Amino acid sequence: DGGITQSPKYLFRKEGQNVTLSCEQNLNHDAMYWYRQDPGQGLRLIYYSQIVNDFQKGDIAEGYSVSREKKESFPLTVTSAQKNPTAFYLCASRPDRKQQDTQNFGPGTRLLVL
Amino acid sequence: GDSVTQMEGPVTLSEEACLTINCTYTATGYPSLFWYVQYPGEGLQLLLKATKADDKGSNKGFEATYRKETTSFHLEKGSVQVSDSAVYFCALSDYNQGGKLIFGQGTELSVKP
Repeated sequence: DGGITQSPKYLFRKEGQNVTLSCEQNLNHDAMYWYRQDPGQGLRLIYYSQIVNDFQKGDIAEGYSVSREKKESFPLTVTSAQKNPTAFYLCASRPDRKQQDTQNFGPGTRLLVL
Repeated sequence: GDSVTQMEGPVTLSEEACLTINCTYTATGYPSLFWYVQYPGEGLQLLLKATKADDKGSNKGFEATYRKETTSFHLEKGSVQVSDSAVYFCALSDYNQGGKLIFGQGTELSVKP
């Protein structure tokens, strides 16, 4: 079965700590995305990548970093510079072709600050 | 910039009632429009989509029509079930910005037996 996996399901961060959220897809999709979801709000784009070794900032990139060393993997690091990291983080992917604009989403990682 | 506005929730209905969740958008181009559904503690699932004006997307009894003249994409279902209880998100895609999705704030639907 093809899909997107995110791990862990829950993640706890201490003050001053960087944490990394994993996102893996076996759909052979070119483009991958990270969104943040806060209660009562829609999703906001953090970073996206359309091709290996390239990525772009989204609307709320400050305090986050990403890498795209492999097509199937797009990890997100929440750095200590992100002052309000508690949220639900969702990874998504899609084929990078104009008519293929539907994004598939992973199950999400909930990040909590201790 | 592009944006999506959807009806505020929560919406509470009795089983078999009719559902309408309003969604309007602003966009400079010709985006595709989507409805995604999120069950508690889970990621988003695509419910339906429409890629051009007057297209109707449908799935699991839900429907939405892409109305360019009113810039709307309202979600409708004739008879809701308890299992439809979830949060519904309207979204548009912007291919010129890496295909990112722009979401409305979500509408929580609760269906009572």
